[in-house]
Amino acid sequence: QKEVEQDPGPLSVPEGAIVSLNCTYSNSAFQYFMWYRQYSRKGPELLMYTYSSGNKEDGRFTAQVDKSSKYISLFIRDSQPSDSATYLCAMSAQNDYKLSFGAGTTVTVRA
Amino acid sequence: DVKVTQSSRYLVKRTGEKVFLECVQDMDHENMFWYRQDPGLGLRLIYFSYDVKMKEKGDIPEGYSVSREKKERFSLILESASTNQTSMYLCASSSPGGGETQYFGPGTRLLVL
Repeated sequence: QKEVEQDPGPLSVPEGAIVSLNCTYSNSAFQYFMWYRQYSRKGPELLMYTYSSGNKEDGRFTAQVDKSSKYISLFIRDSQPSDSATYLCAMSAQNDYKLSFGAGTTVTVRA
Repeated sequence: DVKVTQSSRYLVKRTGEKVFLECVQDMDHENMFWYRQDPGLGLRLIYFSYDVKMKEKGDIPEGYSVSREKKERFSLILESASTNQTSMYLCASSSPGGGETQYFGPGTRLLVL
């Protein structure tokens, strides 16, 4: 079993829809949770960063962490074609500079 | 803004060639990482370095070596390239301490013929 599980999709939604992405993990020591966005043939860029449990909102993006369920989510409201990308979840434990990544979910937003 | 640059965006090499991939970061980060990314397999850590001249093996170090002579530069070396090393190679850097986000370069697409 992988340490971080993420459904690779692909996910296709119409413009304006809410995109819901999630990851589950098995390591209870994970404290830091990130979402990266990767456009085709580019490197991943950091989208959201959350410490421990709770919600974080940044514009159209909301990240949620539920440590009791070992489950993290990313929501994209009012999705745009420019949101079409692969979204990777990543996480790490305290004092561990290595990240554990999900496989990435490919999202297409149709105009 | 953090900037991580990689020497080449696309590279074509022949089997058996020695290949050097260079990565430079401008944020004075202690930690640097090399990953490869393959469809269906996600990001896999090859090597990382937490200080100059220091390195540690990641999950898939076989067939690779690294060099870090200066803080800002981290090189990945394929001693004798093989076709199964055809992949997207990504470099990243981060500050020391746990939970620090990693900043990625644009990637190098390597094709080994």
